[in-house]
Amino acid sequence: EDQVTQSPEALRLQEGESSSLNCSYTVSGLRGLFWYRQDPGKGPEFLFTLYSAGEEKEKERLKATLTKKESFLHITAPKPEDSATYLCAVRTPMDTGRRALTFGSGTRLQVQP
Amino acid sequence: SQTIHQWPATLVQPVGSPLSLECTVEGTSNPNLYWYRQAAGRGLQLLFYSVGIGQISSEVPQNLSASRPQDRQFILSSKKLLLSDSGFYLCAWSWGPDNYGYTFGSGTRLTVV
Repeated sequence: EDQVTQSPEALRLQEGESSSLNCSYTVSGLRGLFWYRQDPGKGPEFLFTLYSAGEEKEKERLKATLTKKESFLHITAPKPEDSATYLCAVRTPMDTGRRALTFGSGTRLQVQP
Repeated sequence: SQTIHQWPATLVQPVGSPLSLECTVEGTSNPNLYWYRQAAGRGLQLLFYSVGIGQISSEVPQNLSASRPQDRQFILSSKKLLLSDSGFYLCAWSWGPDNYGYTFGSGTRLTVV
């Protein structure tokens, strides 16, 4: 069974303290790995898509990387406004025709000033 | 530009009452449409998806149903709500190639009392 596991469940950082969030997956034939940011009470906001091992994407203080078994979301010098839940999702061959995604349970990030 | 509207934002309903949540997309045609439910501490669970008018696929057996009466309108319904139907409901749309992720609506917080 395809699974997506995110760790840690929650992370508290001081402003400027860099760290990484992990998304590990057990998927046969990955067709894409997606990162989303979700603020409380709102819908998730798309951040990145990664397709192949070794691929990297960057956006402001965020950088996403992908290996054959996991993805990392690196946060460099975070600010309080980076506080949110970060969701990882994968698309498998079974999902491709319907463009569905399988989501992890997320990492709640809190950045304190 | 494309936008997605979802309403209402919050809803408190008694057990056994009916439900109707509506989602509309603007600025695109023939999108894939999705209903997801998000429970606290858990990942997003795909409930229904639709690739066209009148075409609905259900992912999990449940007390809910979905309809797509128009190209850009997606409705989530129930005839009689259960306590277990409480949660955060998200509508999303996607189009184009697989590297285009979802765009989510702002969500509906449903509390069944």
